[in-house]
Amino acid sequence: TQLLEQSPQFLSIQEGENLTVYCNSSSVFSSLQWYRQEPGEGPVLLVTVVTGGEVKKLKRLTFQFGDARKDSSLHITAAQPGDTGLYLCAGVYNFNKFYFGSGTKLNVKP
Amino acid sequence: DAGVIQSPRHEVTEMGQEVTLRCKPISGHNSLFWYRQTMMRGLELLIYFNNNVPIDDSGMPEDRFSAKMPNASFSTLKIQPSEPRDSAVYFCASTLNADTQYFGPGTRLTVL
Repeated sequence: TQLLEQSPQFLSIQEGENLTVYCNSSSVFSSLQWYRQEPGEGPVLLVTVVTGGEVKKLKRLTFQFGDARKDSSLHITAAQPGDTGLYLCAGVYNFNKFYFGSGTKLNVKP
Repeated sequence: DAGVIQSPRHEVTEMGQEVTLRCKPISGHNSLFWYRQTMMRGLELLIYFNNNVPIDDSGMPEDRFSAKMPNASFSTLKIQPSEPRDSAVYFCASTLNADTQYFGPGTRLTVL
């Protein structure tokens, strides 16, 4: 059983569409991170959210941390083929222990 | 900086053989993490070190797995004896003060 559940597991959309990825848990985290991983490479950190209810924007990506610090969402506006990859959320305990979600594999078709 | 360096990038071995994976963290980073990634279980934390000292090895699957960090610039993950179910991609990541983790490119291990 995963500590962090991500949904959907797979997402295939056309360029220009919007999408939302969810990361849910019954546990409270000190912070939550989102990573993107491309084939043959390690995950790369996109953002860290710390405060309940926090919203952060990174160009077309919007990240939100739930009020209770148990869940998070990632919204992509006008997706582009370059957004293709595996998106991972990671809950952080005590600022030094990381639990990763199962991942959402996104494919954006031109 | 060259980033986190892992070697080898690919390893194919036979069941029962010893496997050693190597990691060089980013210079100046004080924490190092070993992860394993599979389709079934996703990315799992195996062990992490802080200032070269193992802090939490609760993710190490069993006694066949061991990890060392003899100095700030080098760590190894050893599997002895290896089994087919150990086949996975193993990642090393380093961080300064447990903030942003920088991952290496991974070692793809296949145990036949």
